Amino acid sequence: EPEVTQTPSHQVTQMGQEVILRCVPISNHLYFYWYRQILGQKVEFLVSFYNNEISEKSEIFDDQFSVERPDGSNFTLKIRSTKLEDSAMYFCARTGGSPLHFGNGTRLTVT
Amino acid sequence: KQEVTQIPAALSVPEGENLVLNCSFTDSAIYNLQWFRQDPGKGLTSLLLIQSSQREQTSGRLNASLDKSSGRSTLYIAASQPGDSATYLCAVHAGGTSYGKLTFGQGTILTVHP
Repeated sequence: EPEVTQTPSHQVTQMGQEVILRCVPISNHLYFYWYRQILGQKVEFLVSFYNNEISEKSEIFDDQFSVERPDGSNFTLKIRSTKLEDSAMYFCARTGGSPLHFGNGTRLTVT
Repeated sequence: KQEVTQIPAALSVPEGENLVLNCSFTDSAIYNLQWFRQDPGKGLTSLLLIQSSQREQTSGRLNASLDKSSGRSTLYIAASQPGDSATYLCAVHAGGTSYGKLTFGQGTILTVHP
């Protein structure tokens, strides 16, 4: 099965700016997920997305975060106003059953 | 709330040794358990997945076991090689309405030296 592809691999942004992280390309997959890993900490679940709707989100996924599939293939995570503590690796994952397959991640650095 | 713990936090072994990584979880009502490998600054590579009804899975030199009732899983690596050096992560999957929501352990950092 093809791997999940994420862009960009590294994003540097200033505090308060909006960022959009992308999974490309994905086709015929129904289940998508975003996870993050703050340096030195556990990988944490953010949100699951099924059939173009959020099916579950964690307490981390507050109003600053949003997800969508704007063109039916790309899957995006938007952070509206970044904070220093948003600095982390963000992983997109998908499954068509089991197991979950993760992308290589986007390293987000907020300065 | 599910908690996943991995022991040891770090392990350094000479090449050729067989080794065991441990994972424990607090809630035995899991759908499956997945082992991942993570290289520094990289993504997560799925190694093995064990369904809740299974006892073990094997892939090459890797063997993962699951004792759901006691909340434990082990990853056995036979004849370790320097290329096995990485962080190994265990994650449990709740299933049901939380399909795809994995709870991760903190990982075991493995170093295999020549």
